[in-house]
Amino acid sequence: QQQVKQSPQSLIVQKGGISIINCAYENTAFDYFPWYQQFPGKGPALLIAIRPDVSEKKEGRFTISFNKSAKQFSLHIMDSQPGDSATYFCAASMAGNQFYFGTGTSLTVIP
Amino acid sequence: GAGVSQSPSNKVTEKGKDVELRCDPISGHTALYWYRQSLGQGLEFLIYFQGNSAPDKSGLPSDRFSAERTGGSVSTLTIQRTQQEDSAVYLCASSTRLAGTDTQYFGPGTRLTVL
Repeated sequence: QQQVKQSPQSLIVQKGGISIINCAYENTAFDYFPWYQQFPGKGPALLIAIRPDVSEKKEGRFTISFNKSAKQFSLHIMDSQPGDSATYFCAASMAGNQFYFGTGTSLTVIP
Repeated sequence: GAGVSQSPSNKVTEKGKDVELRCDPISGHTALYWYRQSLGQGLEFLIYFQGNSAPDKSGLPSDRFSAERTGGSVSTLTIQRTQQEDSAVYLCASSTRLAGTDTQYFGPGTRLTVL
């Protein structure tokens, strides 16, 4: 059973556009929601994370929107650049123990 | 400082052989995680070590998989009698698990191919 569902599986965006990736979860005990960025041949790297006591967190061009009642959270990449082309994973955890990852979104930003 | 390192980076083995994958976490990190990433899939949790506590082995797919963490630092993931479906990238991550900090730092992974 997939604890965290992620969509879309792949995404193509023009340079300068907004990339939006969505995730949904079921377990209301989750208290930490990170997003990871992974380039080919590399391990995932933490991009940005949010806790359920806030509805939005912004770091540079990256924003997480969190909807606790809908049990959904999303990553927005503003002014998308070709260097943002990578695979993005959402995740959720309880007290930093087991982490549940989404299936990933392959983002391609076209110059 | 040095990040999480894993060895070997690539491993090709024959079906039925045993393999050992190594993870060196960031110094001082008390938590260590193993994940499996199959082509086009997300990360599948395998096992989690936290300090001296008993590890959370709930993600291990079968009894052919086992892991140890010696001295609270280096970890070894062992797969016995490998099968073709074990082919994947095996990722290790570590974290400090300080209050309010759950950031996991991932190694580059070991790509395992079972022929």
